[in-house]
Amino acid sequence: DIQMTQSPSTLSASVGDTVTITCRASQSVNKWLAWYQQKPGLAPKLLIRRASNLQGGVSARFSGSGSGTDFTLTIRSLQPDDFATYYCQQYQTYSALTFGGGTKVDIK
Amino acid sequence: EVQLVQSGEEVKRPGESLKISCQGSGYRFGDYWIGWVRQMPGKGLEWLGTIYPGDSETRYSPSFQGQVTLSVDKSVNTAYLHLNSLRASDTARYFCARHVGQGDYSLDYWGQGTLVTVSS
Repeated sequence: DIQMTQSPSTLSASVGDTVTITCRASQSVNKWLAWYQQKPGLAPKLLIRRASNLQGGVSARFSGSGSGTDFTLTIRSLQPDDFATYYCQQYQTYSALTFGGGTKVDIK
Repeated sequence: EVQLVQSGEEVKRPGESLKISCQGSGYRFGDYWIGWVRQMPGKGLEWLGTIYPGDSETRYSPSFQGQVTLSVDKSVNTAYLHLNSLRASDTARYFCARHVGQGDYSLDYWGQGTLVTVSS
């Protein structure tokens, strides 16, 4: 399986900050990477797919970049609604999809 | 509007079996793969497997092969997750989600999740 490692596992930030979450794959996944946001008790929400394509309806404050093994999710001007847990997911190998361990963004 | 609606919360005893349903609406159900994801209490997301309603082709995570079974009934636009011989460690919330398609296996629409508690 391709292993996905996210860092940091927890991130404390303030409203208005710009934050960056990284995701590293154990082998190349080309651009087959998605980012999700999850709030407690709710289903994950797709933010970005194919590494940098913003999903419809998602704020342009979210952006993704990277290819191969190293990826980032950047959130500009953090808003109260953005405090949540974020997951990356690779789908290079569609018979063995894997998620990162998650990054919790909480209020400093 | 695309929706995936899952069956309700379940409380089971160890050794029992369980079937969770996921009914799709608002799109051509047979044209999109449906994936299943587990989330244990306080933990991250784990992909269990994926099924194509069009022909029931199925792919399982190597970590869950043999532990879960996926099926689909196109006539009622519903996918199912079967769990047998339940153990306390199966306690989790289970989500179904639709894959974007056309080679893109990200998950764009999700069910609300089904909480499963296994306890004696």
